[in-house]
Parts: sequence; structure tokens; C-alpha cells
Amino acid sequence: QVQLVQSGAEVKKPGASVKVSCKASGYTFTSYGISWVRQAPGQGLEWMGWISAYNGNTNYAQKLQGRVTMTTDTSTSTAYMELRSLRSDDTAVYYCARTMIVVVTPDYWGQGTLVTVSS
Amino acid sequence: QSVLTQPPSASGTPGQRVTISCSGSSSNIGSNTVNWYQQLPGTAPKLLIYSNNQRPSGVPDRFSGSKSGTSASLAISGLQSEDEADYYCAAWDDSLDYVFGTGTKVTVL
Repeated sequence: QVQLVQSGAEVKKPGASVKVSCKASGYTFTSYGISWVRQAPGQGLEWMGWISAYNGNTNYAQKLQGRVTMTTDTSTSTAYMELRSLRSDDTAVYYCARTMIVVVTPDYWGQGTLVTVSS
Repeated sequence: QSVLTQPPSASGTPGQRVTISCSGSSSNIGSNTVNWYQQLPGTAPKLLIYSNNQRPSGVPDRFSGSKSGTSASLAISGLQSEDEADYYCAAWDDSLDYVFGTGTKVTVL
């Protein structure tokens, strides 16, 4: 069965960086992409971008351009999302989601990683 | 900020049919397909409907989706207590962002 297991909760200070991992299993990693979506406390879903595990191509949300980097390690079927220059409004649960490439659609989701930004 | 607008809440009694609307524009729903996600309390979202009206394997046929012009809708027929959740529509925008709706909380009375 498809599983996406994310790294644990993080607490960061404003201005720092965070890197969240997402280990995939149960499917051929390079046949899909990985999207990252975040959800601030009590708020809706916000798409951050996605990366093709097939060729490494990325597409980042305009709002986060320059602050976010998404990468994959095909040898371990793991995706990573790094967010830099953290601010308090980056406090959120961060989700990774397997993403169909042909019709770019996030389908299976990880359990989420809480990132708290606080001084 | 979300560019797809949904009603904040919807409700019904068990067995009823509930419909959730999702309003967008020509740059998103008007030119791309719509997906729907269900988020049960305290859990990750789950894909419910993709490509306007397709159900992934395992999703009950009580859930159905449709699209017309720049709007889409999700219908839940035979409402059950376990359907109490937040529901989000989503679509690609021509700006190359994947945009989510504002979300609708469904309550089973």
C-alpha cells in the first residue's frame, strides 16, 4: 500500500531554515511527483509546489519563490522540502503528497509535520 | 489567499443529500479540471474526486462531482455520520499555481 512517512515536529526561530523529509513506499517513486501543502492552525490548505521524481523538475508557488527548495533522493525514495528565512506565519502543518504526473494531482498524503516558528 | 470560493459550512441529517459549491474563474476551473479532498478532524486530506467527476478506488459512490463553466460542485448522497469533515476543492490555475478552495465544514445533524 502507498505510504508517505514524514519527519517529526520542528521548532525554529524566526530567520532560521527547516528541512522536512517524506519517505515514500508502496509504489514506483520515479513514476510520480511529490507535492508539498501546508495548513496554518485553524486555516485552509495552501499549495507550496511540487517536484517530479522522474526528472527533478520543480514548480513552486509564486508566493514562496526564492524561499523554498524541493528535492528528491531516488536511491531512498525520499523527498525533501526546505523553507528558509522562517517567519511566524510559516507556523503550520506541512504535508507531502504523492502527485500523479500526467494529470498533476496530489493523491496519497503523508501524516503531516508541525513546524512552529517562535522566538 | 484562496481563489476558489466555497460556502463555510453545510449540514444535513443522516440519509440526506448535501451539495457543496466551488466558484472559480476562467483561469482555473474554467480551463482546468477540479479535484475534491476530504479532511477528517485531525487527519491529512484524502483525495475524494479527481478530474471533475472521477472517484479513486475505495471512495464510495455516494460522493460525486460535477463542473460547469467556472464552477464545480460536490454532492454527498445518503449522508452518514462519518462524512462529518472539511471538504476542499482544488484546481490548477493558469498562473501555474495549484489553488485550493476556502473549505466547507460539513456537519451531520
